[in-house]
Amino acid sequence: GQNIDQPTEMTATEGAIVQINCTYQTSGFNGLFWYQQHAGEAPTFLSYNVLDGLEEKGRFSSFLSRSKGYSYLLLKELQMKDSASYLCAVRAGGYNKLIFGAGTRLAVHP
Amino acid sequence: EADIYQTPRYLVIGTGKKITLECSQTMGHDKMYWYQQDPGMELHLIHYSYGVNSTEKGDLSSESTVSRIRTEHFPLTLESARPSHTSQYLCASSESVNYGYTFGSGTRLTVV
Repeated sequence: GQNIDQPTEMTATEGAIVQINCTYQTSGFNGLFWYQQHAGEAPTFLSYNVLDGLEEKGRFSSFLSRSKGYSYLLLKELQMKDSASYLCAVRAGGYNKLIFGAGTRLAVHP
Repeated sequence: EADIYQTPRYLVIGTGKKITLECSQTMGHDKMYWYQQDPGMELHLIHYSYGVNSTEKGDLSSESTVSRIRTEHFPLTLESARPSHTSQYLCASSESVNYGYTFGSGTRLTVV
């Protein structure tokens, strides 16, 4: 079957660093995506990993270990606007279909 | 700027009504998708298309239907709405397998 697990909620302080983990079990794997979704809005693309290792993009970094079925999203220098849900999604199967986790709601406090 | 548009943004309708949720994109993407998302829950794929005249059902059973007559247009239709259809419907498109999705703003549907 297909299963993607993320923590339901996390809290962090403005200016700090937070790591959001994602583990997956899917039939087939062809890439992992992270999306940010503010309440009531559509998801927006953050990062993409298909090979093992770390991808850095400004304050956001994403890591993938395919052998462990594991990824994390690292957010540095947290800002209040980073309060949102962060969705882990795995591409498995054809036609670029993505399977989404339930998301991690991150609350950033002053 | 969003290049994928969904209308209406919000819709409240009565049980038994037929409705069509519109989705259009101006990026020339071949692949388009419809996801359903309840508050605080994961997105579930209900339909997808990989080109004109090609549509497939997704992983979540849905009573809706879709069509893809033009590349830019991927409407979703509910023939007879029920309260269980109350949800947010998100349309997305993608350029190729190496790119993520671009999502529309979504339609929040309430069936009373």
